[in-house]
Amino acid sequence: DIQMTQSPSSLSASVGDRVTITCRASRGIRHDLEWYQQKPGIAPKRLIYEVSSLQSGVPSRFSGSGSGTEFTLTISSLQPEDFATYYCLQHNNYPYTFGQGTKLEIK
Amino acid sequence: EVQLVQSGAEVKKPGESLKISCKGSGYNFASNWIGWVRQMPGKGLEWMGIVDPSDSETRYSPSFQGQVTISADKSISTAYLQWSSLKASDSAMYYCARDGGLFGIDYWGQGTFVTVSS
Repeated sequence: DIQMTQSPSSLSASVGDRVTITCRASRGIRHDLEWYQQKPGIAPKRLIYEVSSLQSGVPSRFSGSGSGTEFTLTISSLQPEDFATYYCLQHNNYPYTFGQGTKLEIK
Repeated sequence: EVQLVQSGAEVKKPGESLKISCKGSGYNFASNWIGWVRQMPGKGLEWMGIVDPSDSETRYSPSFQGQVTISADKSISTAYLQWSSLKASDSAMYYCARDGGLFGIDYWGQGTFVTVSS
């Protein structure tokens, strides 16, 4: 199985900050990497697919980058509604696997 | 509009069986695999497995192999997740999600909360 190591597990930041979350795959996954945002009690919302493609309707302050085994999600200027938990997901190989999640909290 | 609509919340006792559902609409249901994701209270997302509705081929994550059964009935555009004997540790939110192939997991159901308690 491909392991996805996500860091940090939690992050405190302020409105307007730039934040970066990283996922490392245990082996190469080409461009088969997505990022999700989840708020309590609600299904995950896809932000980024194919490493860097922005899901329709998602603000442009979200961006993704990386290749092979190292991937990042960047939020350029945090807004109050961005405080949530974020997950990466690889869909290159079965079983698909999620990162452990990053809880983004208000400082 | 593509939609995945899941069955409602369930409250069961340990040892009971359960089958929850995920009904697709707005697309050719047989054309896309459907996966299931578990989220235990306060925990992260876990990929359980996936089914191809066109021929019912399934792929399970090792942690869930033998613990659950994933199936699909393309005639009624519905995928299923079932347990033969529930445990308290099966209490969780369960999501179905559509595999869009190269475009990844593109649609999610709203989730089904399962509570297993004596």
